[in-house]
Amino acid sequence: DAKTTQPPSMDCAEGRAANLPCNHSTISGNEYVYWYRQIHSQGPQYIIHGLKNNETNEMASLIITEDRKSSTLILPHATLRDTAVYYCIVRVASVDSNYQLIWGAGTKLIIKP
Amino acid sequence: DTAVSQTPKYLVTQMGNDKSIKCEQNLGHDTMYWYKQDSKKFLKIMFSYNNKELIINETVPNRFSPKSPDKAHLNLHINSLELGDSAVYFCASSNRDRGYGYTFGSGTRLTVV
Repeated sequence: DAKTTQPPSMDCAEGRAANLPCNHSTISGNEYVYWYRQIHSQGPQYIIHGLKNNETNEMASLIITEDRKSSTLILPHATLRDTAVYYCIVRVASVDSNYQLIWGAGTKLIIKP
Repeated sequence: DTAVSQTPKYLVTQMGNDKSIKCEQNLGHDTMYWYKQDSKKFLKIMFSYNNKELIINETVPNRFSPKSPDKAHLNLHINSLELGDSAVYFCASSNRDRGYGYTFGSGTRLTVV
């Protein structure tokens, strides 16, 4: 089972910041938080990941709370092309699991003009 | 220059047939994966290969067999196809220890009739 919970859907106006929340209250100390998105009919696309500190790249920012039990993905200026399902995933790191990612249902983000 | 390429993109076949899906990556990654995405859109890992060794097999029926002729290829062969095998199958690759995330192919939509 996925170790994260996300709202099933969200709307955001084009040009505004989209803030996608994720709860991962059972995360352990060596587990990373990954974000991916899947645009309709395409393969999932890596966005960003982090352990403790906030992270930023050309696509998004990741804000992780101090207790690491939740995080927020921020798309600073959402465009229509950002409409997709966004997955928040905790990376299971063990020899047996080989760092497999366990996927939940994600958040369907709809950017409106 | 497609990073992870899968063929075919669409596959329609009858029950009982045997089929293969091919996957190639040109990223120099050391691990490749097969995922299945069902009608409810959940992504579930099926297999991964690292240095030609199978390191994950998540209770997948033995009708499914991954074949990796080299580090850049991981093909999926399916025997005796069943209606329930209809899904989108995604190939992905990563460098296991670098934590940079997976790169996915565009998917193969398999329909068994």
